[in-house]
Amino acid sequence: GQQLNQSPQSMFIQEGEDVSMNCTSSSIFNTWLWYKQDPGEGPVLLIALYKAGELTSNGRLTAQFGITRKDSFLNISASIPSDVGIYFCAGHAPGAGSYQLTFGKGTKLSVIP
Amino acid sequence: TAGITQAPTSQILAAGRSMTLRCTQDMRHNAMYWYRQDLGLGLRLIHYSNTAGTTGKGEVPDGYSVSRANTDDFPLTLASAVPSQTSVYFCASRERGGVEWTEAFFGQGTRLTVV
Repeated sequence: GQQLNQSPQSMFIQEGEDVSMNCTSSSIFNTWLWYKQDPGEGPVLLIALYKAGELTSNGRLTAQFGITRKDSFLNISASIPSDVGIYFCAGHAPGAGSYQLTFGKGTKLSVIP
Repeated sequence: TAGITQAPTSQILAAGRSMTLRCTQDMRHNAMYWYRQDLGLGLRLIHYSNTAGTTGKGEVPDGYSVSRANTDDFPLTLASAVPSQTSVYFCASRERGGVEWTEAFFGQGTRLTVV
């Protein structure tokens, strides 16, 4: 099955710094999703990308769907303490009857005030 | 707004006992999923259902069973729990919007400890 390689696994950054994380795959995806999970909660969608090359922003968050359809990145600008959590990428592969979302293993973000 | 509701929120279960984790959604989504989340392994799909009356196996189905009698409910059953099933379990649902599937919506999770 498809696999997503998400990096880095964890990050410690100073408040106010910018953050970048990415996901890569050996196969193409036609949807890329970025989720954030707060402690004790379920993942919540941050940004959805549906077209190769698409660049989408949501406040301080920016994500791009790579033109090869095999990668995506998420940037967070001017980090704040509430950005702490685990960030997951997820992809939906093309194909008839394709139903499954494949998840990366997550990037754990810690923000030092 | 309810979205997806999971119950219980946490449970301690003796090994060998059976248990059903409940999941209910009020969004009328066709597809529903069960994932387990373990440290360092991310979210792994256990079982899925594309529509009421159908189910399928995901990446880690062994030791688990599901049923989908109607659109709203998707219970996950552990017939005879083992310690390796200690995990946080998430239920999710999705809908198909045009040619594309929408994003998955997740429940709050069930923390299960098998002792």
